[in-house]
Amino acid sequence: QKEVEQDPGPLSVPEGAIVSLNCTYSNSAFQYFMWYRQYSRKGPELLMYTYSSGNKEDGRFTAQVDKSSKYISLFIRDSQPSDSATYLCAMSAASNQKVTFGIGTKLQVIP
Amino acid sequence: DVKVTQSSRYLVKRTGEKVFLECVQDMDHENMFWYRQDPGLGLRLIYFSYDVKMKEKGDIPEGYSVSREKKERFSLILESASTNQTSMYLCASSFGPSSGNTIYFGEGSWLTVV
Repeated sequence: QKEVEQDPGPLSVPEGAIVSLNCTYSNSAFQYFMWYRQYSRKGPELLMYTYSSGNKEDGRFTAQVDKSSKYISLFIRDSQPSDSATYLCAMSAASNQKVTFGIGTKLQVIP
Repeated sequence: DVKVTQSSRYLVKRTGEKVFLECVQDMDHENMFWYRQDPGLGLRLIYFSYDVKMKEKGDIPEGYSVSREKKERFSLILESASTNQTSMYLCASSFGPSSGNTIYFGEGSWLTVV
């Protein structure tokens, strides 16, 4: 079993929809959680990061962490065609520098 | 803004050639990483370095080596390129646990070995 599980999709939604992207993990030592967005043939760019359970909001994006369920989510409100990309979750323990990534979910927002 | 610069975006090399991929970061980050990314396999860590002249093997180090002579520069070396090393290579850097291990990536280097 992988440490981080993420559905690769693809996920297709109409413009304006609320998108929910999710990851589950098995390592209870993970304390830092990140979401990256990767456009085709580009490097991943950091979207959001959070430490501990709860919600963090940044514009149309909300990151949610539920440590008790080992489950993290990224919500995108009022989705736009420009949000079409692959979204990778990432997480790490506080005790070392290694970051573990999900495989990425490919999202397509249809105009 | 953090900037991680990979010197070559697209390369085509022949089997058996020695290949150098160069990476420079401008944020004084202690940690630097090399990943490769393949469809269906995601990001896989090749090597990382937590200090100058220090290196640690990642999950798939075979066929690769690295060099970090200066803090801002981290090079990936393919000693004898093979076709199964055709991939997208991503360099990244971070401050480490003090900043939540947030990693910043370069734009990627697309390597084709023929």
